[in-house]
Amino acid sequence: GNSVTQMEGPVTLSEEAFLTINCTYTATGYPSLFWYVQYPGEGLQLLLKATKADDKGSNKGFEATYRKETTSFHLEKGSVQVSDSAVYFCALGKAAGNKLTFGGGTRVLVKP
Amino acid sequence: GAVVSQHPSRVICKSGTSVKIECRSLDFQATTMFWYRQFPKQSLMLMATSNEGSKATYEQGVEKDKFLINHASLTLSTLTVTSAHPEDSSFYICSATDRTYEQYFGPGTRLTVT
Repeated sequence: GNSVTQMEGPVTLSEEAFLTINCTYTATGYPSLFWYVQYPGEGLQLLLKATKADDKGSNKGFEATYRKETTSFHLEKGSVQVSDSAVYFCALGKAAGNKLTFGGGTRVLVKP
Repeated sequence: GAVVSQHPSRVICKSGTSVKIECRSLDFQATTMFWYRQFPKQSLMLMATSNEGSKATYEQGVEKDKFLINHASLTLSTLTVTSAHPEDSSFYICSATDRTYEQYFGPGTRLTVT
């Protein structure tokens, strides 16, 4: 079956530090890949996505590249801010309108 | 962008009572809605998938008689927790899709059963 594995947190960083959250997946075919962010007490917001191999998703300074050869979709940001403190979820979707498979989530805490 | 709302955002109920949570797509037609449950500091657990006008498909281990899902229109799905008990206390999140890969999530409903 499909699965998503992401690094366990919490990840604690200082402001302006570089952030990487690893995500690898197992799936047949060519899934679409997503990163969602969840702020405390809220639902999930789509951060970025990539729908085919070698695509790079980017938003708000975050980037992730769909690497089929390593089945990975690592999230990066060059300079984090306190407001980036949240839980980040990696997910994959196999078909339009179909359910998503989520990773376990990675809590990120950015200290001033 | 697409907006999904949930109501209520928080609810406290007594053990043995039923609680209904609404999920609405505000500016698009949601052919499919999903209901998730999230325990503190954990990932989302998919409970069921509902398509407009048909019965929901429940994930393994989810009691369909306890968690009643109705998707009566293309903009509204409801989750009713029947005879709630303290172990049903959780954060419930819905999402909706309009046949694209993207799912739009609601803000969540925190249920506390006393």
